This record gives sequence, C-alpha cells and structure tokens, in this order.
Amino acid sequence: GENVEQHPSTLSVQEGDSAVIKCTYSDSASNYFPWYKQELGKGPQLIIDIRSNVGEKKDQRIAVTLNKTAKHFSLHITETQPEDSAVYFCAASGGTSYGKLTFGQGTILTVHP
Amino acid sequence: GAGVSQSPSNKVTEKGKDVELRCDPISGHTALYWYRQSLGQGLEFLIYFQGNSAPDKSGLPSDRFSAERTGGSVSTLTIQRTQQEDSAVYLCASSLLVGGTGELFFGEGSRLTVL
Repeated sequence: GENVEQHPSTLSVQEGDSAVIKCTYSDSASNYFPWYKQELGKGPQLIIDIRSNVGEKKDQRIAVTLNKTAKHFSLHITETQPEDSAVYFCAASGGTSYGKLTFGQGTILTVHP
Repeated sequence: GAGVSQSPSNKVTEKGKDVELRCDPISGHTALYWYRQSLGQGLEFLIYFQGNSAPDKSGLPSDRFSAERTGGSVSTLTIQRTQQEDSAVYLCASSLLVGGTGELFFGEGSRLTVL
C-alpha cells in the first residue's frame, strides 16, 4: 500500500518568514495530493490540493509543488502569520476514491510574532 | 446542519465495553469516511461509504470494529470489547462524490479513552 513520509515534524519560524514542508510517497499510482491544516480541537481542513497532471499550484500565500518522477511534493507558505500556527498534514490517494487518503505524520508549525 | 456533526465529543469507557460513535454528514454528501487519529500521529483510514455501494472496509484494524450507514446519511462506528490501544480521536468526514473536488469535510471528532 501507499506510504507517505512528512518532514519536518516540527517547524518554528518568525512572522513574515517562509515555511516549507516536504512529503514523499511510495505508490506511483497516486494521483491526488491534498494538504490539510488542523487547529487544536478541530478537524482537519483542506487548504490546497494538487493533481498529478499539474506541477505547481498557488493560492495567495500558499503554494504546492509536485515532482512525480521523484515522488515528492511540498507545501510553501510565504509571509507567515501567527494564525498559520497549526498542524499540517500531507496526504496522497489514487484511483477514483480521492477521499481514501494516506496521511503523513504531520508537521507542527509555530509562527512567532 | 452546516458541517459534519459527531457525537459524543468525548467518551471514557472501561476495557472490554462496547462503544458507539455517531456521525451526521453534510446534507447531500454521498461519500462518508471514518479515520482514526492516535496521539501525535497522522490520520489512519478506517472505512468508506459511497452512495449505495458496498463499503470499503479495508482500513478496519480488527473484527471488533464495524460501521454502518443508514439511509445514506447518518453513520455509526461500533467498537466491541474495547482495548486500551483503541484510545484515539475518531474523525468522520463527508464529501460530494459526483461533481465535487474531492475535498473531505471533517467533523471535530470523538475522543475515545479506554481505561
């Protein structure tokens, strides 16, 4: 089955700096790669996703890149703000069931004011 | 309701007891998922319901775990003869299957503690 590795497990940055979280996956059949943000006591919330026919996608301060050859994808957050502090999860899935996801272990991002 | 609703939010039980966790998905969402999140870990897929099709149970960790979805809406996850390793947050999510983006909408979870 699919295996997703996520690094780093914790990331601490100053407000205004950029943050990068990286994930690798093992199953070359995976074709959907979402990123979820989880705040304390809440369920995860989708912040951005990318499909395998696209190499990069941006949404305001957030971008995701995908390298299918190397089987890795990354989340980039620019101009970080304290409210970006949360746990971020990458995930991967394949086939027709986009919701049957294999998640990474999560990254605790702390943005210091 | 506006979002996915789960109950109870917290459940403490004794080892060996059975527990039921409930999920009420977003109205109109045809797909429903259960995930488990252990302390400090990522989310682990358990089971997936898609419309009227047979559920995908490939993630259930043992035969003590079962789930049903009645009338294509509310779902119940049942854990029989609970063990301490079952302690976790159980998250339910729903999504549109046709015409949707694949986005999962998660509830806030049911935190299960087995003593």
